[in-house]
Amino acid sequence: AQSVSQHNHHVILSEAASLELGCNYSYGGTVNLFWYVQYPGQHLQLLLKYFSGDPLVKGIKGFEAEFIKSKFSFNLRKPSVQWSDTAEYFCAVNAISGNKLVFGAGTILRVKS
Amino acid sequence: DAGVIQSPRHEVTEMGQEVTLRCKPISGHDYLFWYRQTMMRGLELLIYFNNNVPIDDSGMPEDRFSAKMPNASFSTLKIQPSEPRDSAVYFCASSSPDRGGEQYFGPGTRLTVT
Repeated sequence: AQSVSQHNHHVILSEAASLELGCNYSYGGTVNLFWYVQYPGQHLQLLLKYFSGDPLVKGIKGFEAEFIKSKFSFNLRKPSVQWSDTAEYFCAVNAISGNKLVFGAGTILRVKS
Repeated sequence: DAGVIQSPRHEVTEMGQEVTLRCKPISGHDYLFWYRQTMMRGLELLIYFNNNVPIDDSGMPEDRFSAKMPNASFSTLKIQPSEPRDSAVYFCASSSPDRGGEQYFGPGTRLTVT
């Protein structure tokens, strides 16, 4: 069965610090990869996605993620976080053969101003 | 497009009462998903439909939970009888096959069972 592992459950950073959130998945076939963000009290929104092509994907609000197939990883990065990035971040995987998303447990990011 | 619509946004009910949550997917999306989110268990997939047919209900916690999709534009999640441990935020999401699995989430229903 597919699974998604997010390395950290809680991350605390100061404004302007760099961010990297780890995500690894277990599935041997072709996958589509996603990062969703959930701001406090809101629903999940798509941050970025990878289907094919350039493994470095740029999303909204300055976020990017890199797909490394050999490591089954899809880590999320941002060079300089802002207080408004405080949210929970979910990595998700879709096996090409199905339409279900398998979500990681989420990483709660708190940015101190 | 109005996005995924859920109602009510908040529901407070007493233990033992029946609760019905509603969802209208994005027009043209033929997959619909129901999730539950709590602090303790995180985001859980309860059930999903394809073309109004339930495909996987293995996440439904117990027989008190049921879901239906009578047509392409409407789905319900019913809890009868409700219990305090059902308190959570329930999200509905929809997608279409040509979106590569990308799901669009509704605003959620915050359920409190007292």
